[in-house]
Amino acid sequence: DGGITQSPKYLFRKEGQNVTLSCEQNLNHDAMYWYRQDPGQGLRLIYYSQIVNDFQKGDIAEGYSVSREKKESFPLTVTSAQKNPTAFYLCASTTGLARPGELFFGEGSRLTVL
Amino acid sequence: DAKTTQPTSMDCAEGRAANLPCNHSTISGNEYVYWYRQIHSQGPQYIIHGLKNNETNEMASLIITEDRKSSTLILPHATLRDTAVYYCIVRVPKYGNKLVFGAGTILRVKS
Repeated sequence: DGGITQSPKYLFRKEGQNVTLSCEQNLNHDAMYWYRQDPGQGLRLIYYSQIVNDFQKGDIAEGYSVSREKKESFPLTVTSAQKNPTAFYLCASTTGLARPGELFFGEGSRLTVL
Repeated sequence: DAKTTQPTSMDCAEGRAANLPCNHSTISGNEYVYWYRQIHSQGPQYIIHGLKNNETNEMASLIITEDRKSSTLILPHATLRDTAVYYCIVRVPKYGNKLVFGAGTILRVKS
């Protein structure tokens, strides 16, 4: 079945370490997104990408980096520069065609920095 | 970018209709209204969207006022599984199909 796969589901890291979260989709979607969610809060956009080899900063890009070398993959690296990285991270994708703006989400990755 | 205002939380009895309001008074003519919901610790799920006309699908109905400054999501027969955070979102009219999520409404369906 088509969908978005995020891994790992849970991740623990020590402070100061870089961490990379994986996001893979087999929906043939052009656009992919990363959101961050803190407890009791809505989703905040970190980065998004419309096409391969191109991406734009969202509202809270500082301390994060991404790449889009393949259409199917949009990994997010949480760097040591991110002051408060503990959060729930969600990846999403969309075609922007038949139902413009409809996002398909993965199940999320929960990062805890010790 | 148009912003939305939703109540923080609402309760609904199981089997009754749940009516979730959303204000988007600064919406522009080419912006759509989208509704998503998020069950605890899962990714959000698309429910429905509309521009001007009322919309209905297998999950819900969306009623948009004539001036488009507000809308209501209706779950006709709420079940316990409908307990979730519901997000009303207005599409940002910027190349990139970006959607901005607010805090949403916590809907608690009670038996």
